[in-house]
This record gives sequence, C-alpha cells and structure tokens, in this order.
Amino acid sequence: DQQVKQNSPSLSVQEGRISILNCDYTNSMFDYFLWYKKYPAEGPTFLISISSIKDKNEDGRFTVFLNKSAKHLSLHIVPSQPGDSAVYFCAAIKGNAGNMLTFGGGTRLMVKP
Amino acid sequence: ETGVTQSPTHLIKTRGQQVTLRCSSQSGHNTVSWYQQALGQGPQFIFQYYREEENGRGNFPPRFSGLQFPNYSSELNVNALELDDSALYLCASSPQGSGQYYEQYFGPGTRLTVT
Repeated sequence: DQQVKQNSPSLSVQEGRISILNCDYTNSMFDYFLWYKKYPAEGPTFLISISSIKDKNEDGRFTVFLNKSAKHLSLHIVPSQPGDSAVYFCAAIKGNAGNMLTFGGGTRLMVKP
Repeated sequence: ETGVTQSPTHLIKTRGQQVTLRCSSQSGHNTVSWYQQALGQGPQFIFQYYREEENGRGNFPPRFSGLQFPNYSSELNVNALELDDSALYLCASSPQGSGQYYEQYFGPGTRLTVT
C-alpha cells in the first residue's frame, strides 16, 4: 500500500523553462511534506518543505504547492537549470511518527541545455 | 563540520549470511534513522535510534536490528540475508529536539548485493 505516490517516473524539460513535479498521498494523517533531491552516488538532500497548514512555500527558484483537499502536492522549479537534473523524492511525515519519512518512488528530472 | 558517513560503500554477501553496516552521524546530531532503497523505488523507513534506544520502526522483520553508540554513531545488522535485501541502505541523522526536527541529513549509502 503506497501512501505517497509519484506517478511520473521521469520528466524532461528545456533549460530556462518550468519543471513541475507532482506527488499524491492517501493518508490524511500526514501533516508535513518535504522534497528531496538525489544525485547518483550521493544521499538525498533536503530541498524544501511545507506544513499542512499552508498551501504554498517558496525558496528561490523552488516553490511547493499543497492542495489538502486533493491530497496533492507539486514542486515547481523556475527557471530550470541543467544542474537540477537529478531524482526528486517527495516525502511525508505524520505528526506523531517522529522522523519517520514516507517517500514516494521518485521522479527523474532531466534538464536539457 | 563533517557530514554523515557510511561504511562500507559496497558489499556483496551470500544468501543466509549476516551483514553489519555502519553510520557516523553529523556532529551534534543525536538521532539516526535507517532506510532501505530498492532499485527504482523510494527509500523505506527501517527504524530510528534516539539516544541509544530504538524510537520507531517501519514494516521490517526482526532480522533487521540496530544499535546506537554513546557518540551517536549507529549500526544496522541484517541476519539470514535474502535476495530481496539487495538494496541501497541509507542512514540519516538529525538534531532532534533542537528546532530542526524534520530535517534529516543523509549519508551516501551502502550498496548491498545478496547473491
């Protein structure tokens, strides 16, 4: 039973354009959501997060949107750069579950120069 | 400041054997979590250690066990290895209780292959 899903295994965009990565979840007990980026041979790196009491959080080129009624979140990267090419994971936490992250399966983003 | 380190980088074991993976947490971090990432999938939570005690466990059998030491480094032990245990094992540390509760810092992982 996958509680966090990323339905697009891969995404290819042109440099300078917007990248939109999507994530759906099923467990309404999740109250905090995170995006991680992973390069080959490295561990995941925290990118941006959002609390369930907000619907948007912005950090430079990265914006995360949360739609609680649809149980959907998305990560927007504008403008996309070739260095953004990596695997992106969304993850969720239940408030009473400590640091236990529930990850989606990941989306491989390729930004073409 | 030294980040999270894991050893070994790669490991090949035979079905039925036992394996120990090691993790050194980032300086100042007292919580260590372990994740299993199978090929093409996202990481799955195995368990977490806080101040040398198990503080949460995912859906993994008892043959997956761990330890945390007074310096907050940690070990993951897997007994009676199965082919499906082949995966990347990630360790993450966090400064729980310091206000950065949710941010976990991951090591590069140990790639385990079971033949």
